[in-house]
Amino acid sequence: QQQVKQSPQSLIVQKGGISIINCAYENTAFDYFPWYQQFPGKGPALLIAIRPDVSEKKEGRFTISFNKSAKQFSLHIMDSQPGDSATYFCAASSSGSARQLTFGSGTQLTVLP
Amino acid sequence: KAGVTQTPRYLIKTRGQQVTLSCSPISGHRSVSWYQQTPGQGLQFLFEYFSETQRNKGNFPGRFSGRQFSNSRSEMNVSTLELGDSALYLCASSSQGTPSTGELFFGEGSRLTVL
Repeated sequence: QQQVKQSPQSLIVQKGGISIINCAYENTAFDYFPWYQQFPGKGPALLIAIRPDVSEKKEGRFTISFNKSAKQFSLHIMDSQPGDSATYFCAASSSGSARQLTFGSGTQLTVLP
Repeated sequence: KAGVTQTPRYLIKTRGQQVTLSCSPISGHRSVSWYQQTPGQGLQFLFEYFSETQRNKGNFPGRFSGRQFSNSRSEMNVSTLELGDSALYLCASSSQGTPSTGELFFGEGSRLTVL
């Protein structure tokens, strides 16, 4: 029940295209859903996060869509750039143990120039 | 402001040995969490410390332990190393005092290879 399932495992997108990564969770106690971006040799960095009281959150080219009833959330990267090429992780946690993130398995995004 | 600093960045050990990894959080951050990252299991939570107390613990054997000092610096120790302990060990700090908000700032990790 703690699992967060992420897809696809890898994604190749042309420059300017839209990248979409999906995640699904089982634990209904989860109430914080961040996305992290990781470049080779670096630690993950917070990209954007959402709580279940809203269905969408946008920050620049990055948007999280959240469907509470389906227990799914997704990351959309608009106008994808080669600099966005990285591994993306969705995660989830619950109040009271917010630093205990349960991570998805990661998506390796490649944006072709 | 300096980021999360982890030392050493790389180390090689043999089976049966023990290892201690160090983490200095961002100045002012009192919460330190540790994660293990492997190709097979992904990112997995080890434990979290706040004000020198372990607040949460993941599903790892007792060979994995940690502690936090009064200056918020943290160490984690793995005893009786196994081949499967080869991983990138990530430390993350957070400024939030309450457990209910979650932005983590990760260091670049300590890459442990067990031969």
